[in-house]
Amino acid sequence: GAVVSQHPSWVICKSGTSVKIECRSLDFQATTMFWYRQFPKQSLMLMATSNEGSKATYEQGVEKDKFLINHASLTLSTLTVTSAHPEDSSFYICSASYRGTNTEAFFGQGTRLTVV
Amino acid sequence: AQKITQTQPGMFVQEKEAVTLDCTYDTSDQSYGLFWYKQPSSGEMIFLIYQGSYDEQNATEGRYSLNFQKARKSANLVISASQLGDSAMYFCAMREGRSSYDKVIFGPGTSLSVIP
Repeated sequence: GAVVSQHPSWVICKSGTSVKIECRSLDFQATTMFWYRQFPKQSLMLMATSNEGSKATYEQGVEKDKFLINHASLTLSTLTVTSAHPEDSSFYICSASYRGTNTEAFFGQGTRLTVV
Repeated sequence: AQKITQTQPGMFVQEKEAVTLDCTYDTSDQSYGLFWYKQPSSGEMIFLIYQGSYDEQNATEGRYSLNFQKARKSANLVISASQLGDSAMYFCAMREGRSSYDKVIFGPGTSLSVIP
């Protein structure tokens, strides 16, 4: 299957700082990528849809100014958590699919963010 | 409203036995896709199986099969000959629409434990 690489795998940052997470599709072009957040023992909650060359579409309740998404190329989307607070600590995971229909969503390895 | 329901928070199965994980979904779209993913403790999302709403045959992938009952809006995952390595969280997911641009949303998950 296709490979989606996410970096970093884990990060610890101080409260008030910003953290950038990268999601790359290594062997295919992904015009659309999705960002999810997962709290311990819970499901994946969709945060936003990242579209190459245009603004991201955020799900209801997700702060656009806090979670900045940039999809600058067909293989790279970034999520920046701005002015991070301890409650932002979570597992963030991205996914991407080939263009077309009936396509599997391939996931990155996820990023465990801890804000201290 | 919850679009995907997984009524079994936790399940146990004896090694080498079969197990069924339940999933029901809610959509008014005619065209949609259903997925099952496995998430071990490492956090990675492992694709197991896919069923399209127009597929007449139930999907199968090795030891995994999907019992698709469209009228009941159910898409249960059957794992045959359980192995210890099958112990993980299992998520049912749905894409409304069939394009890679359409978002995938997840159910709450079922924690499966395989007993030796």
